[in-house]
Amino acid sequence: AQSVTQLGSHVSVSEGALVLLRCNYSSSVPPYLFWYVQYPNQGLQLLLKYTSAATLVKGINGFEAEFKKSETSFHLTKPSAHMSDAAEYFCAVRSNYKLTFGKGTLLTVNP
Amino acid sequence: SQTIHQWPATLVQPVGSPLSLECTVEGTSNPNLYWYRQAAGRGLQLLFYSVGIGQISSEVPQNLSASRPQDRQFILSSKKLLLSDSGFYLCAWSVLLGPAYEQYFGPGTRLTVT
Repeated sequence: AQSVTQLGSHVSVSEGALVLLRCNYSSSVPPYLFWYVQYPNQGLQLLLKYTSAATLVKGINGFEAEFKKSETSFHLTKPSAHMSDAAEYFCAVRSNYKLTFGKGTLLTVNP
Repeated sequence: SQTIHQWPATLVQPVGSPLSLECTVEGTSNPNLYWYRQAAGRGLQLLFYSVGIGQISSEVPQNLSASRPQDRQFILSSKKLLLSDSGFYLCAWSVLLGPAYEQYFGPGTRLTVT
Protein backbone atom coordinates (compact mmCIF):
# COMPACT_ATOMS: atom_id res chain seq x y z
CA ALA A 1 0.00 0.00 0.00
CA GLN A 2 1.14 3.50 -0.79
CA SER A 3 1.95 5.90 2.02
CA VAL A 4 3.58 9.25 2.67
CA THR A 5 5.58 10.55 5.61
CA GLN A 6 5.92 14.24 6.34
CA LEU A 7 9.03 15.06 8.31
CA GLY A 8 8.40 17.78 10.84
CA SER A 9 4.96 18.52 12.22
CA HIS A 10 5.87 22.18 12.63
CA VAL A 11 8.19 24.37 10.55
CA SER A 12 8.92 27.99 11.39
CA VAL A 13 10.57 30.43 8.96
CA SER A 14 11.12 34.16 8.73
CA GLU A 15 9.34 36.22 6.14
CA GLY A 16 11.45 36.20 2.96
CA ALA A 17 13.26 32.98 3.87
CA LEU A 18 13.20 29.72 1.95
CA VAL A 19 10.34 27.36 2.72
CA LEU A 20 11.12 23.63 2.62
CA LEU A 21 8.49 21.10 3.64
CA ARG A 22 9.52 17.47 3.43
CA CYS A 23 7.55 14.52 2.14
CA ASN A 24 8.76 10.99 1.50
CA TYR A 25 6.60 8.36 -0.16
CA SER A 26 6.41 4.62 -0.19
CA SER A 27 4.92 3.02 -3.29
CA SER A 28 5.34 -0.19 -5.22
CA VAL A 29 4.23 1.48 -8.43
CA PRO A 30 5.00 4.90 -9.95
CA PRO A 31 3.17 7.24 -7.62
CA TYR A 32 0.83 10.14 -8.20
CA LEU A 33 1.66 12.71 -5.54
CA PHE A 34 -0.03 15.87 -4.33
CA TRP A 35 0.47 18.80 -2.02
CA TYR A 36 -2.52 20.51 -0.40
CA VAL A 37 -2.74 23.58 1.80
CA GLN A 38 -5.30 24.19 4.54
CA TYR A 39 -5.95 27.57 6.13
CA PRO A 40 -7.65 27.64 9.54
CA ASN A 41 -11.24 26.39 9.49
CA GLN A 42 -11.22 25.90 5.73
CA GLY A 43 -11.12 22.96 3.36
CA LEU A 44 -8.00 21.74 1.60
CA GLN A 45 -6.79 23.49 -1.54
CA LEU A 46 -4.70 21.72 -4.16
CA LEU A 47 -1.26 23.33 -4.53
CA LEU A 48 0.27 21.03 -7.11
CA LYS A 49 0.38 17.45 -8.37
CA TYR A 50 2.95 15.07 -9.81
CA THR A 51 1.78 12.80 -12.63
CA SER A 52 5.15 11.71 -14.09
CA ALA A 53 5.04 14.31 -16.88
CA ALA A 54 7.87 16.34 -15.31
CA THR A 55 9.91 15.88 -12.16
CA LEU A 56 9.77 19.57 -11.23
CA VAL A 57 6.19 20.62 -10.69
CA LYS A 58 5.11 24.22 -10.32
CA GLY A 59 1.99 25.06 -8.37
CA ILE A 60 0.00 28.01 -7.18
CA ASN A 61 1.22 30.79 -4.90
CA GLY A 62 4.85 30.36 -6.00
CA PHE A 63 5.27 26.84 -4.63
CA GLU A 64 7.00 24.03 -6.45
CA ALA A 65 7.98 20.45 -5.70
CA GLU A 66 10.56 18.11 -7.15
CA PHE A 67 10.00 14.39 -7.54
CA LYS A 68 13.17 12.40 -6.77
CA LYS A 69 12.73 8.71 -7.34
CA SER A 70 16.16 7.81 -5.94
CA GLU A 71 15.28 9.50 -2.67
CA THR A 72 11.54 8.62 -2.75
CA SER A 73 10.89 12.25 -1.97
CA PHE A 74 8.53 15.00 -3.09
CA HIS A 75 9.56 18.04 -1.06
CA LEU A 76 7.66 21.33 -1.34
CA THR A 77 9.62 24.56 -1.65
CA LYS A 78 9.08 28.29 -2.04
CA PRO A 79 12.02 30.69 -2.44
CA SER A 80 10.62 33.48 -0.28
CA ALA A 81 7.99 33.03 2.42
CA HIS A 82 5.10 35.46 2.81
CA MET A 83 3.02 35.94 5.91
CA SER A 84 0.05 34.65 3.92
CA ASP A 85 1.77 31.25 3.52
CA ALA A 86 1.13 30.44 7.18
CA ALA A 87 -1.09 27.35 7.05
CA GLU A 88 -1.01 23.58 7.34
CA TYR A 89 0.38 21.62 4.40
CA PHE A 90 -0.46 18.03 3.51
CA CYS A 91 1.35 15.65 1.20
CA ALA A 92 -0.73 12.85 -0.34
CA VAL A 93 -0.33 9.81 -2.61
CA ARG A 94 -3.04 8.28 -4.78
CA SER A 95 -4.02 4.69 -4.22
CA ASN A 96 -6.79 3.49 -6.56
CA TYR A 97 -9.72 5.86 -5.97
CA LYS A 98 -8.34 7.19 -2.73
CA LEU A 99 -5.73 9.59 -1.44
CA THR A 100 -3.56 8.71 1.54
CA PHE A 101 -2.47 11.84 3.39
CA GLY A 102 0.49 12.57 5.57
CA LYS A 103 -0.09 13.94 9.06
CA GLY A 104 0.53 17.50 7.92
CA THR A 105 3.12 20.19 8.58
CA LEU A 106 2.13 23.45 10.19
CA LEU A 107 4.06 26.34 8.66
CA THR A 108 4.57 29.46 10.77
CA VAL A 109 5.97 32.61 9.15
CA ASN A 110 7.59 35.12 11.47
CA PRO A 111 7.78 38.83 10.60
CA SER B 1 -16.86 25.39 -13.21
CA GLN B 2 -17.30 22.88 -10.44
CA THR B 3 -18.27 23.83 -6.90
CA ILE B 4 -18.83 21.82 -3.77
CA HIS B 5 -21.11 22.82 -0.93
CA GLN B 6 -21.33 21.57 2.62
CA TRP B 7 -23.79 22.45 5.32
CA PRO B 8 -24.09 23.35 8.00
CA ALA B 9 -20.80 25.16 8.51
CA THR B 10 -20.86 24.61 12.26
CA LEU B 11 -22.92 22.36 14.49
CA VAL B 12 -23.13 21.77 18.22
CA GLN B 13 -24.97 18.61 19.19
CA PRO B 14 -25.48 16.75 22.49
CA VAL B 15 -24.23 13.22 22.98
CA GLY B 16 -26.80 10.69 21.80
CA SER B 17 -28.45 12.99 19.29
CA PRO B 18 -28.68 12.19 15.55
CA LEU B 19 -26.53 13.75 12.86
CA SER B 20 -26.99 14.61 9.22
CA LEU B 21 -24.36 16.44 7.19
CA GLU B 22 -24.92 17.14 3.54
CA CYS B 23 -22.56 17.66 0.63
CA THR B 24 -23.49 18.55 -2.93
CA VAL B 25 -21.37 19.05 -6.02
CA GLU B 26 -22.24 21.22 -8.99
CA GLY B 27 -20.83 21.34 -12.49
CA THR B 28 -19.77 17.73 -12.93
CA SER B 29 -21.36 14.33 -13.45
CA ASN B 30 -20.74 10.98 -11.80
CA PRO B 31 -18.04 12.19 -9.44
CA ASN B 32 -16.36 10.04 -6.84
CA LEU B 33 -17.35 11.43 -3.44
CA TYR B 34 -15.52 11.23 -0.12
CA TRP B 35 -16.07 12.02 3.55
CA TYR B 36 -13.08 12.78 5.76
CA ARG B 37 -12.75 13.70 9.42
CA GLN B 38 -10.06 15.82 10.99
CA ALA B 39 -9.76 15.53 14.73
CA ALA B 40 -7.56 18.06 16.50
CA GLY B 41 -3.92 17.39 15.62
CA ARG B 42 -4.65 14.08 13.92
CA GLY B 43 -4.56 14.70 10.16
CA LEU B 44 -7.22 13.50 7.74
CA GLN B 45 -9.06 10.23 8.20
CA LEU B 46 -11.03 8.85 5.25
CA LEU B 47 -14.43 7.71 6.49
CA PHE B 48 -16.39 6.79 3.36
CA TYR B 49 -16.15 7.00 -0.38
CA SER B 50 -18.61 6.44 -3.19
CA VAL B 51 -18.06 5.75 -6.88
CA GLY B 52 -21.77 5.91 -7.80
CA ILE B 53 -25.33 6.26 -6.58
CA GLY B 54 -26.01 3.83 -3.76
CA GLN B 55 -22.40 2.58 -3.73
CA ILE B 56 -20.71 3.29 -0.40
CA SER B 57 -17.40 1.97 0.88
CA SER B 58 -16.56 2.32 4.55
CA GLU B 59 -12.98 2.78 5.62
CA VAL B 60 -13.35 2.88 9.39
CA PRO B 61 -15.91 0.96 11.51
CA GLN B 62 -17.80 3.42 13.68
CA ASN B 63 -21.25 4.70 14.47
CA LEU B 64 -21.36 6.83 11.31
CA SER B 65 -22.96 5.93 8.00
CA ALA B 66 -23.08 7.51 4.56
CA SER B 67 -25.57 7.56 1.74
CA ARG B 68 -25.63 8.78 -1.83
CA PRO B 69 -29.24 9.24 -2.86
CA GLN B 70 -28.41 11.29 -5.97
CA ASP B 71 -25.43 11.49 -8.29
CA ARG B 72 -24.03 14.66 -6.76
CA GLN B 73 -25.30 14.39 -3.19
CA PHE B 74 -23.47 12.70 -0.33
CA ILE B 75 -24.85 12.53 3.20
CA LEU B 76 -23.09 11.61 6.43
CA SER B 77 -25.31 10.41 9.26
CA SER B 78 -25.34 9.06 12.75
CA LYS B 79 -28.20 7.77 14.89
CA LYS B 80 -26.45 8.58 18.18
CA LEU B 81 -23.45 10.85 18.43
CA LEU B 82 -20.49 10.14 20.69
CA LEU B 83 -18.09 12.67 22.17
CA SER B 84 -15.38 11.18 19.97
CA ASP B 85 -17.36 12.20 16.86
CA SER B 86 -16.33 15.82 17.37
CA GLY B 87 -14.12 17.15 14.61
CA PHE B 88 -13.95 18.91 11.29
CA TYR B 89 -15.77 17.00 8.54
CA LEU B 90 -14.69 17.48 4.97
CA CYS B 91 -16.40 16.35 1.79
CA ALA B 92 -14.41 15.96 -1.42
CA TRP B 93 -14.99 14.96 -5.04
CA SER B 94 -12.91 13.70 -7.93
CA VAL B 95 -13.50 12.62 -11.51
CA LEU B 96 -11.69 10.04 -13.58
CA LEU B 97 -10.11 12.46 -16.03
CA GLY B 98 -6.39 12.19 -16.62
CA PRO B 99 -4.03 10.04 -14.58
CA ALA B 100 -4.19 11.82 -11.28
CA TYR B 101 -7.87 12.51 -10.56
CA GLU B 102 -7.03 14.79 -7.72
CA GLN B 103 -9.63 15.52 -5.09
CA TYR B 104 -11.31 18.87 -4.48
CA PHE B 105 -12.55 19.71 -1.04
CA GLY B 106 -15.55 21.52 0.36
CA PRO B 107 -15.37 24.19 3.08
CA GLY B 108 -16.03 21.71 5.89
CA THR B 109 -18.40 21.36 8.85
CA ARG B 110 -17.14 21.91 12.39
CA LEU B 111 -19.00 19.46 14.67
CA THR B 112 -18.81 19.75 18.43
CA VAL B 113 -20.48 17.03 20.46
CA THR B 114 -21.20 18.13 24.03
